[in-house]
Amino acid sequence: DAGITQSPRHKVTETGTPVTLRCHQTENHRYMYWYRQDPGHGLRLIHYSYGVKDTDKGEVSDGYSVSRSKTEDFLLTLESATSSQTSVYFCAISEGTVTYQPQHFGDGTRLSIL
Amino acid sequence: EDKVVQSPLSLVVHEGDTVTLNCSYEVTNFRSLLWYKQEKKAPTFLFMLTSSGIEKKSGRLSSILDKKELFSILNITATQTGDSAIYLCAATNAGGTSYGKLTFGQGTILTVHP
Repeated sequence: DAGITQSPRHKVTETGTPVTLRCHQTENHRYMYWYRQDPGHGLRLIHYSYGVKDTDKGEVSDGYSVSRSKTEDFLLTLESATSSQTSVYFCAISEGTVTYQPQHFGDGTRLSIL
Repeated sequence: EDKVVQSPLSLVVHEGDTVTLNCSYEVTNFRSLLWYKQEKKAPTFLFMLTSSGIEKKSGRLSSILDKKELFSILNITATQTGDSAIYLCAATNAGGTSYGKLTFGQGTILTVHP
């Protein structure tokens, strides 16, 4: 158990509505990440954080924003959800940079946008 | 652009068989190669490989990295139905961003029949 809790676990919403996903960790790790997983694409990085209030974009960041006001919480927001953002979203944490430390994943949030 | 390719994309075997999963990578500033197992929920970390030719082993699973030919294999001997999962390979790029960069392959879906 990597001490990561994602909420909600499932969500169905309509196009154009705002959506916020939460990732909570109990291990006080510096690095946190948000990925999306789609068939045929593996896992793709959306945004990551390397400390409180320190965040940066990943490879598929358009349409997403993040915030990290506390070490333990990393929020992913879809300001105006679109059907292309239907996906499974995973949060991950690591003790150090991915170069040297493996990432550990939460159980995911299945998001459907109708 | 960094790229990780896994093969085969899917594999069906019977209990007791031995399987070999392949992962090739093209990554600048390569640092390490990781394997994950994903059942219904979170990907779980299996191995992190940084040196060529040194096998990592955990029970019936083993993995090796060839940095000259830019690939890694994951072997599973005496497969069991509990080995059925998606196996994900990822490669790290030590340059660029502050966290490094992790690129995932598409995954191999392994199904083990009784």
